[in-house]
Amino acid sequence: AQTVTQSQPEMSVQEAETVTLSCTYDTSENNYYLFWYKQPPSRQMILVIRQEAYKQQNATENRFSVNFQKAAKSFSLKISDSQLGDTAMYFCAFMRGGATNKLIFGTGTLLAVQP
Amino acid sequence: NAGVMQNPRHLVRRRGQEARLRCSPMKGHSHVYWYRQLPEEGLKFMVYLQKENIIDESGMPKERFSAEFPKEGPSILRIQQVVRGDSAAYFCASSPETGDRQAFFGQGTRLTVV
Repeated sequence: AQTVTQSQPEMSVQEAETVTLSCTYDTSENNYYLFWYKQPPSRQMILVIRQEAYKQQNATENRFSVNFQKAAKSFSLKISDSQLGDTAMYFCAFMRGGATNKLIFGTGTLLAVQP
Repeated sequence: NAGVMQNPRHLVRRRGQEARLRCSPMKGHSHVYWYRQLPEEGLKFMVYLQKENIIDESGMPKERFSAEFPKEGPSILRIQQVVRGDSAAYFCASSPETGDRQAFFGQGTRLTVV
């Protein structure tokens, strides 16, 4: 069975600084997808970034980028130029390749951006 | 194009009552997933449905919980005889028939059992 581990329950960063959130996963699959979701106080789950396992290039979306290390089964999220609106819970998630879009989530990291 | 719609946003039930949570997927989406988020935890998969079919219910509790996605109308997650431990946020996500490998989430229903 696949598992996702986020070892940092809480993190804090100063506005405009850079922060990295860690995520590791365990799977025997070769075809899969990895995601970072943001959950602000409104509870809405917002997709931040997605990585296909077959792609070697790390995904980037504006200030958000990932460091995908397939051999190490590591998928960290880097947030550059942190903004107050980045304050939220961040969840790492795993999706197997195949016919289903079922997600397996980590326990989350609460990020606080300080002014 | 409206997103995934869940209602109600908040639901309060007394122990022993029934809770019905509704989810209308995005237009053109025929796959629905239900997740539960207990306080201070991540989302846990419950069930995956396509129109009129349950595809994967491996995360559903064996008793009191059921889900359906009829040919017409929203998907329904039903919890019978609720207990305090059922208090949680319940999220629905939808996906299109094929292709796009991601799930679009609704805003969730927060169920409180008193």
